[in-house]
Amino acid sequence: DTGVSQNPRHKITKRGQNVTFRCDPISEHNRLYWYRQTLGQGPEFLTYFQNEAQLEKSRLLSDRFSAERPKGSFSTLEIQRTEQGDSAMYLCASSLLGYGYTFGSGTRLTVV
Amino acid sequence: GENVEQHPSTLSVQEGDSAVIKCTYSDSASNYFPWYKQELGKRPQLIIDIRSNVGEKKDQRIAVTLNKTAKHFSLHITETQPEDSAVYFCAEMNTGFQKLVFGTGTRLLVSP
Repeated sequence: DTGVSQNPRHKITKRGQNVTFRCDPISEHNRLYWYRQTLGQGPEFLTYFQNEAQLEKSRLLSDRFSAERPKGSFSTLEIQRTEQGDSAMYLCASSLLGYGYTFGSGTRLTVV
Repeated sequence: GENVEQHPSTLSVQEGDSAVIKCTYSDSASNYFPWYKQELGKRPQLIIDIRSNVGEKKDQRIAVTLNKTAKHFSLHITETQPEDSAVYFCAEMNTGFQKLVFGTGTRLLVSP
């Protein structure tokens, strides 16, 4: 277990389709975060889990977005009915007690 | 509120010069301030962090200073090298919100 793993690395989808991304955190980390990053901007918070509990969702997150972390291990982020504005890099990070995030390499989503 | 201002947005220096990036935050309850380096196409990586009970922290050529009264913190890189070229993000967290809020980033270019 050498870091945070995200799959797929790239996803191209047609507008209106659903997509799902996966994140495998560092095994001893109890917190898992999802961020979105667009070109030239800093990572923008989407949601986070402590163990299996989803503790916060950004006000920016529409109801087309849903995240799960069954059994407090890996997490999935699903986007339903994708729109062109959803095109971005989706970053997952994990941490122990909130300090020292380790980021994954991200999933780059392109909606055409 | 959740707001971090970062300046400058771009910074060009000659190899061997020093570089300083500044961030200002608004939430007086913020107590953890990390800095991340993101090379093109790669994940953000933690390079240094500071907590609110410390005014300065150094790690070789990198240092971070914190002024809680003025609500700003800065990254200092001395003896810059071309491999320091990247985008640098500051972030802040308060234990009440339990998540990092990122600045907009500074693109640092170190010319040989």
